[in-house]
Amino acid sequence: GIQVEQSPPDLILQEGANSTLRCNFSDSVNNLQWFHQNPWGQLINLFYIPSGTKQNGRLSATTVATERYSLLYISSSQTTDSGVYFCAVEAAGGTSYGKLTFGQGTILTVHP
Amino acid sequence: EPEVTQTPSHQVTQMGQEVILRCVPISNHLYFYWYRQILGQKVEFLVSFYNNEISEKSEIFDDQFSVERPDGSNFTLKIRSTKLEDSAMYFCASSRTGLNTEAFFGQGTRLTVV
Repeated sequence: GIQVEQSPPDLILQEGANSTLRCNFSDSVNNLQWFHQNPWGQLINLFYIPSGTKQNGRLSATTVATERYSLLYISSSQTTDSGVYFCAVEAAGGTSYGKLTFGQGTILTVHP
Repeated sequence: EPEVTQTPSHQVTQMGQEVILRCVPISNHLYFYWYRQILGQKVEFLVSFYNNEISEKSEIFDDQFSVERPDGSNFTLKIRSTKLEDSAMYFCASSRTGLNTEAFFGQGTRLTVV
């Protein structure tokens, strides 16, 4: 099946710093989503971005489908950005309609 | 804003007992999913469900697991005889279609088997 690798596994920042999280995937995808898992365990949708670039406030994401990677940018980080960031993809082809394969996540800690 | 809701938030059960986890997907969505996340690990796909039948299931989804849409709004995951290793966060998700569409996740049910 499709492989999803995220880097870095851990990231520690001071409040106000910027960061880039990366997601590499091993095959073509129909769908790519970024999630933030908060300290209560909830998965919060950040972006649905199978290709192109999107921005939402301090967060933006870019997916280059032909090169099989996606980037999540966090600018001017805040302590509330802390948590785990997951990339998840739906492999193209086959009959896996809607099935998402998750990466291992990046644990982000933002210190005041 | 429509959301996926799950109940209960937490459930503690004794090994060997049956549990039912409940989910109300977003109302105009047609595809439903269950995922699980063992503490500290990544989120894993369990099963997808469309048109009142299972579309796909993972190796994890063995005979101990079943899913059902008992009425027009609920979607349930049943574990017949729980094991210690079933302890995890279980997420329900739904999407409007099954292809090229965004999936929305519920807040999760944390299941602890003792």
